[in-house]
Amino acid sequence: SFRLTQSPSVSVSPGQTATVTCSYVLLGTLNVNWYQQRPGQSPVLVLYQDVKRPSDIPARFSGHNSGTTATLTIRGAQDVDEADYFCQTWDTDTGTAVFGGGTHLTVL
Amino acid sequence: DVHLVESGGALVSPGGSLRLACVASGFTFNRHPMYWVRQAPGQGLQYVSSIGTNDISTYYEESVKGRFVISRDNSRSTLFLQMTSLQREDAGVYYCAREGVALGAIDHWGPGTLVTVSS
Repeated sequence: SFRLTQSPSVSVSPGQTATVTCSYVLLGTLNVNWYQQRPGQSPVLVLYQDVKRPSDIPARFSGHNSGTTATLTIRGAQDVDEADYFCQTWDTDTGTAVFGGGTHLTVL
Repeated sequence: DVHLVESGGALVSPGGSLRLACVASGFTFNRHPMYWVRQAPGQGLQYVSSIGTNDISTYYEESVKGRFVISRDNSRSTLFLQMTSLQREDAGVYYCAREGVALGAIDHWGPGTLVTVSS
């Protein structure tokens, strides 16, 4: 299976825009999902199919996927957004899911 | 509300076996593919295995092939993971998860069950 590459950490000031990236050579041809995991909690789906938000996810979360990079953007980042974020896609050859290594977002 | 509750995690010696279970409620279980995803302490998420809506389509991460078996009992809304020949690298929190909102997107996760592999 292939690997999705994420930066280990990102920092942002409250109210600013946070950008979390996920890279793979063919990523733009695949659907990407994003999960938020707060400390001690289970992951939560925040974006699916690159850009779609589940109904309970705030509109400040958005996504883009093109070429080799998928991006999760959080506009007006808040303290509650401090968490680990994982990208995920699908390996169509093996029928298995693939997760990125995760990015820790710090809001301070 | 969707609920997924895992059980069966324990301390086991290297080479040992465990059977994890996940009881689902709040949705029509037999309409959703299901997953096991694990997370080693302080590490990221790792796909372990998934199963289609019946017992026929099953998939595994390479390192667990031949050692783990995923199955489901739709009559009891329960997902299983039989783990054998456990290695230290298999330790972590095992999450039961549901594919729902879109193909390949996991929209609900259980709280997880801890597997510790140590002598």
